[in-house]
Amino acid sequence: GDSVTQMEGPVTLSEEAFLTINCTYTATGYPSLFWYVQYPGEGLQLLLKATKADDKGSNKGFEATYRKETTSFHLEKGSVQVSDSAVYFCALSDRGDKIIFGKGTRLHILP
Amino acid sequence: SQTIHQWPATLVQPVGSPLSLECTVEGTSNPNLYWYRQAAGRGLQLLFYSVGIGQISSEVPQNLSASRPQDRQFILSSKKLLLSDSGFYLCAFTLQLGAQETQYFGPGTRLLVL
Repeated sequence: GDSVTQMEGPVTLSEEAFLTINCTYTATGYPSLFWYVQYPGEGLQLLLKATKADDKGSNKGFEATYRKETTSFHLEKGSVQVSDSAVYFCALSDRGDKIIFGKGTRLHILP
Repeated sequence: SQTIHQWPATLVQPVGSPLSLECTVEGTSNPNLYWYRQAAGRGLQLLFYSVGIGQISSEVPQNLSASRPQDRQFILSSKKLLLSDSGFYLCAFTLQLGAQETQYFGPGTRLLVL
C-alpha cells in the first residue's frame, strides 16, 4: 500500500543554518504531496503542497519539490529561525481524500 | 504502546441523515484529542480539539459537533449531513512527555455523502 517515510528526529540546528528534512513515498498512483507543521500546543497546519511531478511548493521560506523519479519530497529552508521549532509531517493523498502521514520529524532550533 | 482506533473505515450516507464517527485511544491517559477533515483536493483541516473530558474547542463553525464522554473517547457527530461533509476524517491524539509532544493518527474514516 501507499506509505510515507521521513527522516527520524530530533533534528537540532543553530539559527540561520540550512535545513533539509528528507521524505520519500511509495504510491501506486499519482498522489498529491504535503508538508504539515505542528507547533507546540497546536494542531497540524498545512505548510506547503505539490500536486504533480516537478511542482515546487513554497511557504514561509520553506520549499519542497515533487520528484517522481526519486519518489521524494524533501523539505528545505535556507536559514531557519527559533520560531521554526516544531514537528514536521510529510504526507501524501491519493485518490482525492485519504491522507497518509509520515511519523513526523521534530526540529529544534537553537538561538 | 499507544494505539488509536477509528470506525467505521468507510461510510456512505444520504444527505440529511445523521452521523456518528467514533475514535478511541489505548495505552495512555488524558491525551489531547483532535478531529481533522481532508476534503478532496484540499489540505487537512482541523475541526475540533479537546484537552479533557467534556472540553471541546471548535476551529471551524459548521454543522458538525464533537463530544468527549470519556477520557479516551472522541466522537464526531452531525444531525443532518450535507454534500460538502464528504471527505476523509482523521482522529489524532498528542502525548506530552516532558517538553516533547508527539502526534499520532488513526486510520481514518472515508465518508461519502450522496
